[in-house]
Amino acid sequence: DTGVSQNPRHKITKRGQNVTFRCDPISEHNRLYWYRQTLGQGPEFLTYFQNEAQLEKSRLLSDRFSAERPKGSFSTLEIQRTEQGDSAMYLCASRPSLGSLGNSPLHFGNGTRLTVT
Amino acid sequence: AQTVTQSQPEMSVQEAETVTLSCTYDTSESDYYLFWYKQPPSRQMILVIRQEAYKQQNATENRFSVNFQKAAKSFSLKISDSQLGDAAMYFCAGDLTGANSKLTFGKGITLSVRP
Repeated sequence: DTGVSQNPRHKITKRGQNVTFRCDPISEHNRLYWYRQTLGQGPEFLTYFQNEAQLEKSRLLSDRFSAERPKGSFSTLEIQRTEQGDSAMYLCASRPSLGSLGNSPLHFGNGTRLTVT
Repeated sequence: AQTVTQSQPEMSVQEAETVTLSCTYDTSESDYYLFWYKQPPSRQMILVIRQEAYKQQNATENRFSVNFQKAAKSFSLKISDSQLGDAAMYFCAGDLTGANSKLTFGKGITLSVRP
């Protein structure tokens, strides 16, 4: 169990640029989640996948955000035309789909910190 | 609406003492799960303890225990014999939709431990 891996750890970009983050979940976990966390706040749900299917997407996720998990393994989160308000920590988490969230809780990665200048 | 509220932004405790972190939540479901997560300065979120709503017995994990009051929709975390390594942000979270899909988090509380 190597844990949930996220890359890059930090990303600084200029407003208007596109950025892409990657998440590699724990290998046997077929559910994968993206959360956004701003300074001093709790994580906010963005979207989640079961295998390659995107099952739910938050209304927080504007059209500039897109997430994919093409082969049901790693996932990417892309933000187009970044804005300063996109500056945050983007957290990825995974878990097995069998069992409840109580029995198979989320395992989080270290996150990708995005700074938009 | 499913919400989780942590109204205390910061708390401080003396090493070896006991501290209680408060959390309230709102849901219309009768069966759900509640969690406390710890986020140290390294930023990786770690599960501390979990509670199933249909279980009346409060969960305990070593020095960590919860006081789950279902009728009051209250879920507090008690840390006994506090250690310097307990200093972190603590988030209360719940799977409150009944859909077994995602967690809703509170805003968190920053706990500092005084040596």
